[in-house]
Amino acid sequence: GEDVEQSLFLSVREGDSSVINCTYTDSSSTYLYWYKQEPGAGLQLLTYIFSNMDMKQDQRLTVLLNKKDKHLSLRIADTQTGDSAIYFCAESEGGADGLTFGKGTHLIIQP
Amino acid sequence: DVKVTQSSRYLVKRTGEKVFLECVQDMDHENMFWYRQDPGLGLRLIYFSYDVKMKEKGDIPEGYSVSREKKERFSLILESASTNQTSMYLCASQVGAGAEAFFGQGTRLTVV
Repeated sequence: GEDVEQSLFLSVREGDSSVINCTYTDSSSTYLYWYKQEPGAGLQLLTYIFSNMDMKQDQRLTVLLNKKDKHLSLRIADTQTGDSAIYFCAESEGGADGLTFGKGTHLIIQP
Repeated sequence: DVKVTQSSRYLVKRTGEKVFLECVQDMDHENMFWYRQDPGLGLRLIYFSYDVKMKEKGDIPEGYSVSREKKERFSLILESASTNQTSMYLCASQVGAGAEAFFGQGTRLTVV
């Protein structure tokens, strides 16, 4: 079945860039997503990328997709304390059976 | 803005009780989902529905059932709650296949 892998923790200094990585196994993935979950809250979509793209930028966020290696990354520039959260990578083939999520990466911000 | 509302933020139930978790979305979305979230395991899909009265098993359906009598409402049922069902439950809806999924705030269920 499909599998999405992420590191469980990432620690960065405030003001540095954070890079959260994700690998997936399903070559039929059409849509790839990054969600953010703050403590006690549901998931909020941060950004997404179609599989026919290799980069997408949105303010401080940059998504890079290497489709050959099935590798997705999320770069957060100038990381702030408000960026502290769990970040989930997810993929979808575009069917009605929902998204497959990674286990989430806890982003820890050091002062 | 799309709103997905889960009826309870916190629930405490006893082993063996029948438990209903309710989810309502207000944007006429076709697809709705129930996930559970556990530390170190991420989100796992329990059941989903792509139309009224339609339901499909996800990855971990055992011990759960669902009901979708109206398009906007998707209920998760624990027929006989057990302690290993203590978890955070997240409902999501999606306008159609491949689109962004919108999540509710979650229900933290504790079974004692």
